[in-house]
Amino acid sequence: EAGVAQSPRYKIIEKRQSVAFWCNPISGHATLYWYQQILGQGPKLLIQFQNNGVVDDSQLPKDRFSAERLKGVDSTLKIQPAKLEDSAVYLCASTLGGVGTEAFFGQGTRLTVV
Amino acid sequence: SQQGEEDPQALSIQEGENATMNCSYKTSINNLQWYRQNSGRGLVHLILIRSNEREKHSGRLRVTLDTSKKSSSLLITASRAADTASYFCATDTTDKLIFGTGTRLQVFP
Repeated sequence: EAGVAQSPRYKIIEKRQSVAFWCNPISGHATLYWYQQILGQGPKLLIQFQNNGVVDDSQLPKDRFSAERLKGVDSTLKIQPAKLEDSAVYLCASTLGGVGTEAFFGQGTRLTVV
Repeated sequence: SQQGEEDPQALSIQEGENATMNCSYKTSINNLQWYRQNSGRGLVHLILIRSNEREKHSGRLRVTLDTSKKSSSLLITASRAADTASYFCATDTTDKLIFGTGTRLQVFP
């Protein structure tokens, strides 16, 4: 089965610019997560979708970050405007959903804000 | 926010030795999972232990869970250079997966 696809793999932007990341989860996976992983740290949950509804976005900086999941499949995460501290790897993961299901991760998008 | 804290932050061992990593968490959980991350890559699921289980094995991996102490440990036996990676625990609470801070394991040949 195809894995979780993310693009782009790398992105370099200047501060105050905007950027968007795309994620295509595994077919049939109801739950989709976006994580932010700063170098040397563990992944931090930004937002969780169940189908096309938001389950948790308590850690999403809503003044600059937004995310959507169209038709319960693909998802995009946007940052506008970017700050230097947004430099990180943005990971997308999907699960079948429900208790006790493992998460499958994409390769991530490495964002550098200069 | 991080649910779990892992200990040690970094671990260096020789091939053939065992590696033990510990994870402590704060709230009650449905299950606890361990993931591995090679440098510059996404995370890969290793093993899941449910809240009503105390120990689980998978190949060279052994995981224990003590819900009274809110802690888990991951043991990798007979380590190999290819086990070099970061290892993260993740707690599944109300269907939300929260990761710990990770342990960086270096296995020298």
